[in-house]
Amino acid sequence: GIQVEQSPPDLILQEGANSTLRCNFSDSVNNLQWFHQNPWGQLINLFYIPSGTKQNGRLSATTVATERYSLLYISSSQTTDSGVYFCAVDRGTYKYIFGTGTRLKVLA
Amino acid sequence: GAGVSQSPSNKVTEKGKDVELRCDPISGHTALYWYRQSLGQGLEFLIYFQGNSAPDKSGLPSDRFSAERTGGSVSTLTIQRTQQEDSAVYLCASSSTGGANYGYTFGSGTRLTVV
Repeated sequence: GIQVEQSPPDLILQEGANSTLRCNFSDSVNNLQWFHQNPWGQLINLFYIPSGTKQNGRLSATTVATERYSLLYISSSQTTDSGVYFCAVDRGTYKYIFGTGTRLKVLA
Repeated sequence: GAGVSQSPSNKVTEKGKDVELRCDPISGHTALYWYRQSLGQGLEFLIYFQGNSAPDKSGLPSDRFSAERTGGSVSTLTIQRTQQEDSAVYLCASSSTGGANYGYTFGSGTRLTVV
């Protein structure tokens, strides 16, 4: 089956810093989503981005489907950005396969 | 409703008992998904519903697990004869398939502890 690898596995930032999270996948995909799981466990959809670039406030994402990767950019990080960021991919079956996540801690 | 609602939020059960977990998706969402997340781990796909039918049950870990969806709305995940390895957070998500804004909305999950 398709493999989804995320890097880095852990990241510690000072408030205000920028960061880039990466998601590599081993085969072509039809759909891709980024999620944030807050420290209380709630999963929030950040982007549905099978290709191209999207921006939402301080967050933006780019997927280069032909090269099998996606990037999530966080600018001017805040303590509320802490949590785990998951990339999830689907090959057209709507059964998303999740990566193992990047655990982010933003220090005040 | 406005979001995906799951109940109960927490469930502690004795090994060998049956449990039922409920998911109430966003009104109008035709697709519904169950995932499981063990402590500190990623999400494991269990089952997907399109309307009331389940085209993909491949993720159910054993025949002790079953799920149904009625009226294209509420879904119930049933675990029979629970085992300690069933302890996890069970997450439900719904989506409207297709469209530029397609994406999952997750519920808050049911934390199941088997003692």
